[in-house]
Amino acid sequence: GPKVLQIPSHQIIDMGQMVTLNCDPVSNHLYFYWYKQILGQQMEFLVNFYNGKVMEKSKLFKDQFSVERPDGSYFTLKIQPTALEDSAVYFCASSRRSNTGQLYFGEGSKLTVL
Amino acid sequence: GDSVIQMQGQVTLSENDFLFINCTYSTTGYPTLFWYVQYSGEGPQLLLQVTTANNKGSSRGFEATYDKGTTSFHLQKTSVQEIDSAVYYCAMRDRTNAYKVIFGKGTHLHVLP
Repeated sequence: GPKVLQIPSHQIIDMGQMVTLNCDPVSNHLYFYWYKQILGQQMEFLVNFYNGKVMEKSKLFKDQFSVERPDGSYFTLKIQPTALEDSAVYFCASSRRSNTGQLYFGEGSKLTVL
Repeated sequence: GDSVIQMQGQVTLSENDFLFINCTYSTTGYPTLFWYVQYSGEGPQLLLQVTTANNKGSSRGFEATYDKGTTSFHLQKTSVQEIDSAVYYCAMRDRTNAYKVIFGKGTHLHVLP
């Protein structure tokens, strides 16, 4: 089936540094998402991105977070600066339609902030 | 606010047992409802979805009925197998705010051989 690829699979950084998580969504999909999952807990919605804009974001999407998809390439989540509580697995997802379309998830990027 | 409630954090069954995972939702709109399954080390993948109230979705022996009256979308399977061991998430997308898909806390199913 359709695949969403995430790079890197695991990244370890020091608190205060910047990190960029990359997502290659399914090719004909138009809606992109990031979710955050702390170990053993539920997946929390961070942000939805469509047509170059953030359409919806949660309170977890702090000012230090940003998303973009320059020139139709990777959909990225940037955290600058990182904090200890940003340690989690970040899942990227994409969908073709907005109101009923299923989400296709990547395998996640595990971020460890020391 | 919108929410999806899964009360069971963990379910342990033996092979061929009947599975029932509870899910209720809360929203003012008319959501599309989903069950996602997440195997260890992988991202969630869609198990089934239902768009219209009172309809039933089914896949791989799993089924769930969209009950608008009780705002429930319980997941059932007649006979579970060890390979069904995974975390199951109930989720919804409200059509009036379609940009957000909300997940429940997940139910970890452990099937003993």
